[in-house]
Amino acid sequence: GNSVTQMEGPVTLSEEAFLTINCTYTATGYPSLFWYVQYPGEGLQLLLKATKADDKGSNKGFEATYRKETTSFHLEKGSVQVSDSAVYFCALSRAGTASKLTFGTGTRLQVTL
Amino acid sequence: EPEVTQTPSHQVTQMGQEVILRCVPISNHLYFYWYRQILGQKVEFLVSFYNNEISEKSEIFDDQFSVERPDGSNFTLKIRSTKLEDSAMYFCASSEATGTEAFFGQGTRLTVV
Repeated sequence: GNSVTQMEGPVTLSEEAFLTINCTYTATGYPSLFWYVQYPGEGLQLLLKATKADDKGSNKGFEATYRKETTSFHLEKGSVQVSDSAVYFCALSRAGTASKLTFGTGTRLQVTL
Repeated sequence: EPEVTQTPSHQVTQMGQEVILRCVPISNHLYFYWYRQILGQKVEFLVSFYNNEISEKSEIFDDQFSVERPDGSNFTLKIRSTKLEDSAMYFCASSEATGTEAFFGQGTRLTVV
């Protein structure tokens, strides 16, 4: 079946540091890939998505590229801010649909001054 | 901005009791979902609901669980006889159509004692 593996957290960075959160997946066919973010006390929010190989999703300075050859969708940001502190979830769904998301375990990011 | 709202934010219940978790999806959305996250584990799909019936459910969603859209605005998850292992954060989500972004509520933390 489908599965998503994320790097263990927490990840602690200083403000303006470079961020990478690794995500790899196992799926049949060509899934759509997502990053969701959960800020303290809030629900899950879609951060970015990619629906086919080599697509790059981007939002709020975050980027992730759909790499079919390595089955990866790593999240990156060039310069993190304290306000980026949150839990980040990698997820996938069957191609062409946003239903039945399969999530990774989530990675907590803590950014300090 | 329209949002998915869930009530209560936290519920404590005794083992064996029935609980109903409530959600108000975004008003023009047609697809509704429940997910749960046991502490420290992955966010897991429970069920999707469309056109007043279940469209898909996971193996977790056994006979103890049921969903209902009683009045055209609320979407509820009922657990008939709670077990300790039902303790988790439960997320409701809705989407306008398949293939579009799922919007999540802030979650209900259920604690079974």
